[in-house]
Amino acid sequence: AQSVAQPEDQVNVAEGNPLTVKCTYSVSGNPYLFWYVQYPNRGLQVLLKYITGDNLVKGSYGFEAEFNKSQTSFHLKKPSALVSDSALYFCAVRDIGGATNKLIFGTGTLLAVQP
Amino acid sequence: DSGVTQTPKHLITATGQRVTLRCSPRSGDLSVYWYQQSLDQGLQFLIQYYNGEERAKGNILERFSAQQFPDLHSELNLSSLELGDSALYFCASSLGGRGMDTQYFGPGTRLTVL
Repeated sequence: AQSVAQPEDQVNVAEGNPLTVKCTYSVSGNPYLFWYVQYPNRGLQVLLKYITGDNLVKGSYGFEAEFNKSQTSFHLKKPSALVSDSALYFCAVRDIGGATNKLIFGTGTLLAVQP
Repeated sequence: DSGVTQTPKHLITATGQRVTLRCSPRSGDLSVYWYQQSLDQGLQFLIQYYNGEERAKGNILERFSAQQFPDLHSELNLSSLELGDSALYFCASSLGGRGMDTQYFGPGTRLTVL
């Protein structure tokens, strides 16, 4: 069965410092991977996605993620955090070989950026 | 703004009642998905429609049902409501029904069952 793990409930980082939000996945075949961000009282916005090709994916707002097949990871990174990056971040996976388009989401990681 | 609209934004009702949540997908998107977000269950896939037909079912209760209409908008019907049904319900849409399409989420409907 497909699954996504986000091992950290919360990540705290000082503004200007690099940030990493961790994600590992489990699928039977090859994955499509997504990062979504949720601001308070808002819906989910897609930040970036990995389909195929270059393992380093660049997304919105300066975020990037690296697909590592051997470690089954897709960690979200940003070189310099902003206070406005504070939000709830979800990693999601879809099995390429699956019959549906449904996304399996991780439990979410709350990113808190201190000024 | 994702282009996906959901109404109403908030809904407060009593146990045993029935409610209908509405979703309009992005222009051109044929597929609609419903998700439930709660503190204890996280984000759970409920059901998917593609061009008017049910494509996939997830953790959707028998008390819940959905449909997608010819104009591609979708409705999620929740009946015999229980306290545990209180949650944020999201609709998402994508261009196609499979593959690499990105799902774009609406702002959600917050359901409170008293």
